[in-house]
Amino acid sequence: GEDVEQSLFLSVREGDSSVINCTYTDSSSTYLYWYKQEPGAGLQLLTYIFSNMDMKQDQRLTVLLNKKDKHLSLRIADTQTGDSAIYFCAELGLDGGSQGNLIFGKGTKLSVKP
Amino acid sequence: ETGVTQSPTHLIKTRGQQVTLRCSSQSGHNTVSWYQQALGQGPQFIFQYYREEENGRGNFPPRFSGLQFPNYSSELNVNALELDDSALYLCASWAQGSSYEQYFGPGTRLTVT
Repeated sequence: GEDVEQSLFLSVREGDSSVINCTYTDSSSTYLYWYKQEPGAGLQLLTYIFSNMDMKQDQRLTVLLNKKDKHLSLRIADTQTGDSAIYFCAELGLDGGSQGNLIFGKGTKLSVKP
Repeated sequence: ETGVTQSPTHLIKTRGQQVTLRCSSQSGHNTVSWYQQALGQGPQFIFQYYREEENGRGNFPPRFSGLQFPNYSSELNVNALELDDSALYLCASWAQGSSYEQYFGPGTRLTVT
């Protein structure tokens, strides 16, 4: 079955880089996502990557994918206090009954200290 | 702003009551999914609607039901509310065939007392 795991907490200092990690289990080609959720708010799509890619960069965000190990990471350069939020890794189900569904991890709470 | 809207923002219901939550899809999107996010958890898939029919369902009981309308807006209905139904309910919309680009609304916070 599909499962997405991520560490629950990360604390960094303002200006440092943050790296949030995630592992997934689906063996199919798929899309993998990073969403951001601020307190009391919905989910903001940050970026996504298809599983045949190794890396995707978008301004301060870099996504790295190790397909062999089924490991996904999100690096935030020059982390700011406004980056404090919960970050969810998600995998898109592409097969059968899971088609089109997002399978989420439990989220990593990023705390940025001034 | 994603163009996906949900109403109401918050509501409080009593155990045993029924509730209807609403979602308006982003323009051009004909598929909608609903998710339940309990406190401290990631969102869990409830079901998906395409062309006004349920097109996939997660591990939720039949008292969770939905509708999709010709204008692609959608409703989530929950009967016989239980305390554990307290959660943030999120809808996401996309165009069929482009499921890799799903956009979420801001959610409805349901509290069951």
